[in-house]
Amino acid sequence: KNEVEQSPQNLTAQEGEFITINCSYSVGISALHWLQQHPGGGIVSLFMLSSGKKKHGRLIATINIQEKHSSLHITASHPRDSAVYICAARKILPTSGSRLTFGEGTQLTVNP
Amino acid sequence: ETGVTQSPTHLIKTRGQQVTLRCSSQSGHNTVSWYQQALGQGPQFIFQYYREEENGRGNFPPRFSGLQFPNYSSELNVNALELDDSALYLCASSLAPPEEQFFGPGTRLTVL
Repeated sequence: KNEVEQSPQNLTAQEGEFITINCSYSVGISALHWLQQHPGGGIVSLFMLSSGKKKHGRLIATINIQEKHSSLHITASHPRDSAVYICAARKILPTSGSRLTFGEGTQLTVNP
Repeated sequence: ETGVTQSPTHLIKTRGQQVTLRCSSQSGHNTVSWYQQALGQGPQFIFQYYREEENGRGNFPPRFSGLQFPNYSSELNVNALELDDSALYLCASSLAPPEEQFFGPGTRLTVL
């Protein structure tokens, strides 16, 4: 079992739909990241969360520390939102460094 | 302020060869993390460098090594390349080990 699991793996939506991507993790973390990756590979950081909820434009991210669960929501989805969305759990290492453990990603396709 | 840059963009090597990938961190960032992303999978943590010292390492063999320079740019070296080393290699920089990481565009390595 992966330390970070996402669902669904693939998601197809019509423009305007409300979208939810889920992430569960099995380890203690210091923060949870949501990232967006477009074809070609570049990764953009969307949110870093350690508690509660954050909102940026049409994107909302929530985290429940007790349940070890986070969700990414996209309101009024648009074809330009089509990308791979990845959640990543940040752990502090004994060396005082940190590492990100990534989920496998959710491929989102929004059709016009 | 420049973002994280990586070079080269693409690279083709043959089995047994050695490769060096480069990363320039975002201005003011002293921490660089390297990740390997195989096709269709989430990135995997290789190692992290903080102020020129390795600060954490994932489950990668010793033939994966790195350096961080006084200007905080970094190199990833891979010796004795194997076919399974074909992947997108991502670096990410941050202000300090536990802070938010900003990703470069990646280097696509193909091993034939």
